[in-house]
Amino acid sequence: NAGVTQTPKFQVLKTGQSMTLQCAQDMNHEYMSWYRQDPGMGLRLIHYSVGAGITDQGEVPNGYNVSRSTTEDFPLRLLSAAPSQTSVYFCASSPAHGTSGYNEQFFGPGTRLTVL
Amino acid sequence: GEDVEQSLFLSVREGDSSVINCTYTDSSSTYLYWYKQEPGAGLQLLTYIFSNMDMKQDQRLTVLLNKKDKHLSLRIADTQTGDSAIYFCAERRSSASKIIFGSGTRLSIRP
Repeated sequence: NAGVTQTPKFQVLKTGQSMTLQCAQDMNHEYMSWYRQDPGMGLRLIHYSVGAGITDQGEVPNGYNVSRSTTEDFPLRLLSAAPSQTSVYFCASSPAHGTSGYNEQFFGPGTRLTVL
Repeated sequence: GEDVEQSLFLSVREGDSSVINCTYTDSSSTYLYWYKQEPGAGLQLLTYIFSNMDMKQDQRLTVLLNKKDKHLSLRIADTQTGDSAIYFCAERRSSASKIIFGSGTRLSIRP
């Protein structure tokens, strides 16, 4: 299994540009999440999904969209990038509540995004 | 509230024990986690504890939970240079699909 993969690893955008951060997992996990990590602020939840076709907002959803058309993929879209979105973005997945391995959340390697 | 709080830095001497502390505010938290993040990498689950437990030990790691005070700690015995990392405390409520993280404690080891 490849686990949780994220692309790209690094990205530089200009203010106002849009882009999609890709996340995929091959473990058939129901739950997937996007976090951003900023110095001294830990991980903050942007959006999450409990299954294909279902998404919900986390703590800091503004400026980001997500969709979950398949179990495997959970892309994060930046509609109009702003310097405040400069961060490291992590995607994570886990099995659904009540299933084996529920308590382990697997993280991707992260995407480092800079918005100029 | 959903706050999980940790101190930002901890420095210990190699071979000593490290104790990383965390407080949380939501009394309905049922699972509490410790994650480790090494430089340039994602987060790795170290251990977790269910809220009806007081203690969990796993090799060099000991987790203590004081549910009354909403206080969680991670003790690393015989701290080594490879333990240098950021350690995140996190909580999950019953059947919740999201995990709330603290800001992380950066552990540095001095010779």
